[in-house]
Amino acid sequence: QSVLTQPPSVSAAPGQKVTISCSGSGSNIDNNYVSWYQQLPGTAPKLLIYEDNKRPSGIPDRFSGSKSGTSATLGITGLQTGDEADYYCGTWDNSLSAYVFGPGTKVTVL
Amino acid sequence: EVQLLESGGGLVQPGGSLRLSCAASGFTFSSYGMIWVRQAPGKGLEWVSGIRGRVSVLSGSTYYADSVKGRFTISRDNSKNTLYLQMNSLRAEDTALYFCARDLSTAVTTGAHWGQGTLVTVSS
Repeated sequence: QSVLTQPPSVSAAPGQKVTISCSGSGSNIDNNYVSWYQQLPGTAPKLLIYEDNKRPSGIPDRFSGSKSGTSATLGITGLQTGDEADYYCGTWDNSLSAYVFGPGTKVTVL
Repeated sequence: EVQLLESGGGLVQPGGSLRLSCAASGFTFSSYGMIWVRQAPGKGLEWVSGIRGRVSVLSGSTYYADSVKGRFTISRDNSKNTLYLQMNSLRAEDTALYFCARDLSTAVTTGAHWGQGTLVTVSS
């Protein structure tokens, strides 16, 4: 059981927007930066968002991150078929002294 | 260009040992935190262990997930630009694809660059 909670799946039509939530607690999200990763089928994860809302170079601004208290959110606008993937949130947990990932959310483009 | 190449995976019996390596290039290896993340077949990501970079008051500090603490040891050889994961007392539940990743800085909290992984199978 992960200490972070994500919805198992979200879906939307091409061009639409989806949001993925990541819920934690005071020992993790509330006091540490959150990152988001995209994992396309059969590939290694890729960093999409770091430090709650920053995008690495090369990541389009269709991807955005936000955080409030013990929850974080990944937003994807202008949904494309190439965005079909698993998305994971991650953050440090002060109680565990370890990094934790959420269980992952599968994004489906209808 | 940052490149990470894992090796050392394979089939091992329960209770056995294996050492994974991650050869790094394209950056000043010693300056960055490095992590191991695994993914069991059909499952999500699990952070396994991390080791801090040298430019830090916590230089070389290591961290482990509870699931591997006392069985796995992370280390690095900055002269060889290589990260290691020594895995002892292996269990069936350790079967997974093991990725190494480089942090954005000296910390062990963000997988900014990833290798392609090496597969570890624990089975009799």
